[in-house]
Amino acid sequence: AQSVSQHNHHVILSEAASLELGCNYSYGGTVNLFWYVQYPGQHLQLLLKYFSGDPLVKGIKGFEAEFIKSKFSFNLRKPSVQWSDTAEYFCAVSPNNAGNMLTFGGGTRLMVKP
Amino acid sequence: DTEVTQTPKHLVMGMTNKKSLKCEQHMGHRAMYWYKQKAKKPPELMFVYSYEKLSINESVPSRFSPECPNSSLLNLHLHALQPEDSALYLCASSQGMTSGRNEQFFGPGTRLTVL
Repeated sequence: AQSVSQHNHHVILSEAASLELGCNYSYGGTVNLFWYVQYPGQHLQLLLKYFSGDPLVKGIKGFEAEFIKSKFSFNLRKPSVQWSDTAEYFCAVSPNNAGNMLTFGGGTRLMVKP
Repeated sequence: DTEVTQTPKHLVMGMTNKKSLKCEQHMGHRAMYWYKQKAKKPPELMFVYSYEKLSINESVPSRFSPECPNSSLLNLHLHALQPEDSALYLCASSQGMTSGRNEQFFGPGTRLTVL
């Protein structure tokens, strides 16, 4: 079975700081990768996804992520965070042969100080 | 319409009650999911329906009983729950589930408290 690890459980940044959230997965086959965001009191929303092709993917709200196959990683980045980015971020993996079953990482709670 | 709706938003029930959670989507999606999310934890998959048939049951206790009356609706019937079942119950849908590439759209969840 696959597993997903998010190294940072809590991150506190000031506005305009750069963000990088780590995500590593363990699975030997081909995977599809996702980052979801859960703003306070709101539902899970997709930030970005990677299926194949260019390993650098751009998502909504200025977020991007890079897939590094050799490191089994899919880290999320944003050059300059805003107070409105305060939320919980979940990395998720779906193997190609597992019927669209998502396995989520433990989540990273980001707080951006104004 | 790219929304998944869930009712009720909040539910408080006793251990002997029977209640149901409802989920609806009008995106023409043929796969629907139930997840359970405890506080400060990631969502955990409970059930998956594909073309209105139960496809995956992640060893969920029988006090949770899913139902898919049609392609737009998904219910979760609750009976004889325990206090540890208190959680946020999330519904999601996707176009299909034959590969891992189908984006799942999530509803806002029902926050369940079992007394």
